Amino acid sequence: QVQLQESGPGLVKPSQTLSLTCTVSGGSISSGSYYWSWIRQPAGKGLEWIGRIYTSGSTNYNPSLKSRVTISVDTSKNQFSLKLSSVTAADTAVYYCARGVNPGLIDYWGQGTLVTVSS
Amino acid sequence: QSALTQPASVSGSPGQSITISCTGTSSDVGGYNYVSWYQQHPGKAPKLMIYDVSNRPSGVSNRFSGSKSGNTASLTISGLQAEDEADYYCSSYTSSSTEVFGTGTKVTVL
Repeated sequence: QVQLQESGPGLVKPSQTLSLTCTVSGGSISSGSYYWSWIRQPAGKGLEWIGRIYTSGSTNYNPSLKSRVTISVDTSKNQFSLKLSSVTAADTAVYYCARGVNPGLIDYWGQGTLVTVSS
Repeated sequence: QSALTQPASVSGSPGQSITISCTGTSSDVGGYNYVSWYQQHPGKAPKLMIYDVSNRPSGVSNRFSGSKSGNTASLTISGLQAEDEADYYCSSYTSSSTEVFGTGTKVTVL
């Protein structure tokens, strides 16, 4: 059973960079034809797709966030990461990491981690 | 990319059937059979309920079914049960090789 766990600071100051890591257990991040995604959800609002990375290193990002987002993968640690720069209060949300199988199909999710942007 | 459009809320009595719509464009819902539906209970991570428009993952009740016509996908829940009360989100692959979620629908069991 694949499990994903987000980790990182719960509080980030405005204009700084938000950094989160997702640790994958129960399987190798490199095995199979999977991709690894980040999704966020502001309190009381809907889901927003942030981006994905394949273990080849290929990435796709939400156009509205593309200039500020970097997703990377570390196969030796079975982890992938999210960096979001120049954050504002609007970036306050629960951030989920997840595994994708086919286009538009996310089958495993982390439990989510709340990141608050505040001084 | 714009979020797919879903009704804000849908309600039904136990045992009834309800349908949630998800409207996009020819660049997402209408262009690909890569529409998924997720169920989210408060404080929990989303759970995959339907993928590739109409396929159910193992373990998901056959009371959940999906379909698509043109730029609109639909999720139908038949034999509504109290445990079905949750938020539901559609998602679609897009022509830009990205993914987009719907605005979300709150399902209330009366």
